[in-house]
Amino acid sequence: DAGITQSPRHKVTETGTPVTLRCHQTENHRYMYWYRQDPGHGLRLIHYSYGVKDTDKGEVSDGYSVSRSKTEDFLLTLESATSSQTSVYFCAISESGTRGDTEAFFGQGTRLTVV
Amino acid sequence: AQSVTQLGSHVSVSEGALVLLRCNYSSSVPPYLFWYVQYPNQGLQLLLKYTSAATLVKGINGFEAEFKKSETSFHLTKPSAHMSDAAEYFCAVSDPGGSYIPTFGRGTSLIVHP
Repeated sequence: DAGITQSPRHKVTETGTPVTLRCHQTENHRYMYWYRQDPGHGLRLIHYSYGVKDTDKGEVSDGYSVSRSKTEDFLLTLESATSSQTSVYFCAISESGTRGDTEAFFGQGTRLTVV
Repeated sequence: AQSVTQLGSHVSVSEGALVLLRCNYSSSVPPYLFWYVQYPNQGLQLLLKYTSAATLVKGINGFEAEFKKSETSFHLTKPSAHMSDAAEYFCAVSDPGGSYIPTFGRGTSLIVHP
C-alpha cells in the first residue's frame, strides 16, 4: 500500500472555526490532491499541488486554502468552517502529473462534521 | 473539458450473476481511463486502467473493462458476482491533452444479494 496518512481521521468542529487537515506521504510523489466526497456528487477536486509551493485550484475551491512547504506534506485549511463543508475528505498522490496514465493512490479519508 | 458519466447510482445483482457497471467519457482526445473501488470506510483503490495498449483490460478480483472508442464507453464487467464485490465503484478519466488531473464520475454502488 502507498504510504499516505491523513490526520485527523474524524473531526467535529463548530461553524466559523478554522480547521486544518493534514496529508503526509512517504512515496516522494510529485502530485498531491485534495478531494471531497459527498453522496450523489462522487469525488470533486478541491485543490492540487504539482510541487513544493506549487498549487492550483480545483472545481470546488471556494472556502478552502492549501499549502505545501515540503514534498511529503499537503495541508488543507477551511478558513471558517460552514455546514456545507461537512464531508469526507480524501488526499491522493500520483507519481507524475505529466503522465496521465499513472494512477492516483488514496488515503483513508477524514470525516469532517461542522455543527 | 474531460468528464465521465456513470449510468445508475445503484446496481443490484444476485451472487453469481453478471456484473455490468457503465461508464461513458467525454474527451477531446483519446483519454486514459480508470476504474477504482471503494469499500466501506476506506479510500479508493485501483481496479484497472486503460492506457491505449489494449482495448480489453483485465484488473484485480476478476474484473475487466473494454474501451470502445466508437461508443465513448469503458464499461466494467465481472462474469460472476461475489458478496465481497459489494462496494462503490468509480470511473475516472485523465486527458492527455489537458491537465492530467483525474476527473471522477459520481460513483455506482454495487449491491450483491445472496
